[in-house]
Amino acid sequence: DAKTTQPNSMESNEEEPVHLPCNHSTISGTDYIHWYRQLPSQGPEYVIHGLTSNVNNRMASLAIAEDRKSSTLILHRATLRDAAVYYCILSSAGTASKLTFGTGTRLQVTL
Amino acid sequence: DTEVTQTPKHLVMGMTNKKSLKCEQHMGHRAMYWYKQKAKKPPELMFVYSYEKLSINESVPSRFSPECPNSSLLNLHLHALQPEDSALYLCASSPVGLAGKKNEQFFGPGTRLTVL
Repeated sequence: DAKTTQPNSMESNEEEPVHLPCNHSTISGTDYIHWYRQLPSQGPEYVIHGLTSNVNNRMASLAIAEDRKSSTLILHRATLRDAAVYYCILSSAGTASKLTFGTGTRLQVTL
Repeated sequence: DTEVTQTPKHLVMGMTNKKSLKCEQHMGHRAMYWYKQKAKKPPELMFVYSYEKLSINESVPSRFSPECPNSSLLNLHLHALQPEDSALYLCASSPVGLAGKKNEQFFGPGTRLTVL
């Protein structure tokens, strides 16, 4: 499985935008880029995914570099409830997706 | 209903005990997963079931025995565990056959297992 590299931790002020980077230089042409997050004492939850184009949903935006070797998860206005570990994961096309979690980025949000 | 439920929430067992973890979903998903998560570490995939058949076993020791009796239920049978098997066990489910486009996995809250 292709690997991802993320910073161990980041901090943000509440109501500010947050940009969470992810490097995936060995990504293959069929790999989708997924982001999940895990709030304290909960199971992971899906945030967003993309293949080549930038994506937006109600939770976040995903900006994918033109060469697909990196991507950035953007939280437009961080809240205290966004404090979590954010995982960037590559998943190849298949009948049942196999998610290989990296170490993730622990996001702290302060007032 | 977009929920994956897991029982029990907590389990303490001895090394000679036999116990089972249960997972249930009613979203019509035909893929179900078991993950193991040690403290401060990311989840690690253990097993994947697709259409009630085991499709991936990530070289998990035989003291962990998965079972998928129907499309809504997933069990993990535990026998002769070791203290190092203490962890959070997460179940997840997802649609199948969307060719990676959106195989969004829905996770349960997990069962926190302690092996004495």
